[in-house]
Amino acid sequence: EDQVTQSPEALRLQEGESSSLNCSYTVSGLRGLFWYRQDPGKGPEFLFTLYSAGEEKEKERLKATLTKKESFLHITAPKPEDSATYLCAVQAKNQAGTALIFGKGTTLSVSS
Amino acid sequence: DGGITQSPKYLFRKEGQNVTLSCEQNLNHDAMYWYRQDPGQGLRLIYYSQIVNDFQKGDIAEGYSVSREKKESFPLTVTSAQKNPTAFYLCASRDRGHYGNQPQHFGDGTRLSIL
Repeated sequence: EDQVTQSPEALRLQEGESSSLNCSYTVSGLRGLFWYRQDPGKGPEFLFTLYSAGEEKEKERLKATLTKKESFLHITAPKPEDSATYLCAVQAKNQAGTALIFGKGTTLSVSS
Repeated sequence: DGGITQSPKYLFRKEGQNVTLSCEQNLNHDAMYWYRQDPGQGLRLIYYSQIVNDFQKGDIAEGYSVSREKKESFPLTVTSAQKNPTAFYLCASRDRGHYGNQPQHFGDGTRLSIL
């Protein structure tokens, strides 16, 4: 069964304290892995797409990496405005309708 | 600006009542999706549509219905058969793309509660 597991569920950091969020996945053929940011009461905002193992994408303080089993979202020197829930989703090659399978998310809190 | 508009932002349902959530996109995307989000759970797929006048059930379609009469619109009706409708509902759309792996883009959701 295709599934996505994110860890930790919650993460508290001090401003400037770098860390990583994990997304482990099992799919029968990966078509793409997606990272989203979700603020309270809002819809998810697209961050990155990763397609193959070894690929990396960067945006400001965020860097996403991909292996054959998992993806990491590295946050370098976070600021309070980085506080949000980060969602990981995968698209499997055999998934009808190209629907995404989502993890439950990691809620990040950054304090000054 | 191009985007996805969901309305209303908040909706209240009475016992035995059907309610309809609106989703409109001006991104010219072919595919549209409805998800339900509950606290502590991942997004779960309700219905999706890849083309006008065609749609398929997702993982939790019971108690819901949809229509896709226009490319830009994909309304979701929560029927009285849905016994636990309280949730945050998210609409998404996606450009088909050459390899079928384009990201989905989301609206800002509708929060449905029971009166």
